[in-house]
Amino acid sequence: AQSVTQLGSHVSVSEGALVLLRCNYSSSVPPYLFWYVQYPNQGLQLLLKYTTGATLVKGINGFEAEFKKSETSFHLTKPSAHMSDAAEYFCAVSGTGTSYGKLTFGQGTILTVHP
Amino acid sequence: KAGVTQTPRYLIKTRGQQVTLSCSPISGHRSVSWYQQTPGQGLQFLFEYFSETQRNKGNFPGRFSGRQFSNSRSEMNVSTLELGDSALYLCASSLGTLGQPQHFGDGTRLSIL
Repeated sequence: AQSVTQLGSHVSVSEGALVLLRCNYSSSVPPYLFWYVQYPNQGLQLLLKYTTGATLVKGINGFEAEFKKSETSFHLTKPSAHMSDAAEYFCAVSGTGTSYGKLTFGQGTILTVHP
Repeated sequence: KAGVTQTPRYLIKTRGQQVTLSCSPISGHRSVSWYQQTPGQGLQFLFEYFSETQRNKGNFPGRFSGRQFSNSRSEMNVSTLELGDSALYLCASSLGTLGQPQHFGDGTRLSIL
C-alpha cells in the first residue's frame, strides 16, 4: 500500500525566509506525486506535480520540489516566503495500476509566515 | 475554463437523515473522485467514478454511495447520518488517465446535529 508522511504538522518562518516542507512517500512502483495548498474555507489547489522526467519540478507561486528516489522524498521549497503563503500544504501520491483516481495524502503541514 | 463546482457549500442535518451532495467537473474531465476531510482523520478517499462507472472505492461503509451521470456530473449520497459524518466533502475531477492531476472544488461542509 502506498503512504505519504509529512514531517512537521506546523512550520513557522519569517517573511523572506526559505520555506521547506518535507514529504516522504512509500510506493512499490515509480510514483506520481503532487503538492496541494489549502486556504481556509477553500478546496485544494494544485501547486505542482511529478510524473516522469526532470526531478526538479517548478510550480506556481514560486514553489518547486525535488524528487529524490534514493531518499523516497519530494520536499517542497520556496526561496522567499510571503505572507500570502500562509496556508496548509498537502503532499499526495497517486494510486497504482487502475487506482490512479485515488490520491493518498499526507497529514498536512500548516505554514505560518511571520512579518 | 470553469473549475469544479460543488453544491451546496454548507449543509446542516440531523442524525438518521440522508443527504445528497453534487459535483460538476471541469468540462472534458471524465473522472470524479470524492474525499472526506476531518481534523482527526485528514483527507480520506471515498470513491472514484469514470465514465459513469465506479472505478475505485475507499474504506467507507455502504452508507456512502455515489453515481456519475453521462455528462460526468457526480452525486454522493450518505444515508442514516451519524455525528461522525460531520466533515468537509471534497470533489475532484481529472482527465482520468495515469499521472493526470486532480482539480478540487471548494467542498461541501456537512454538519450533523
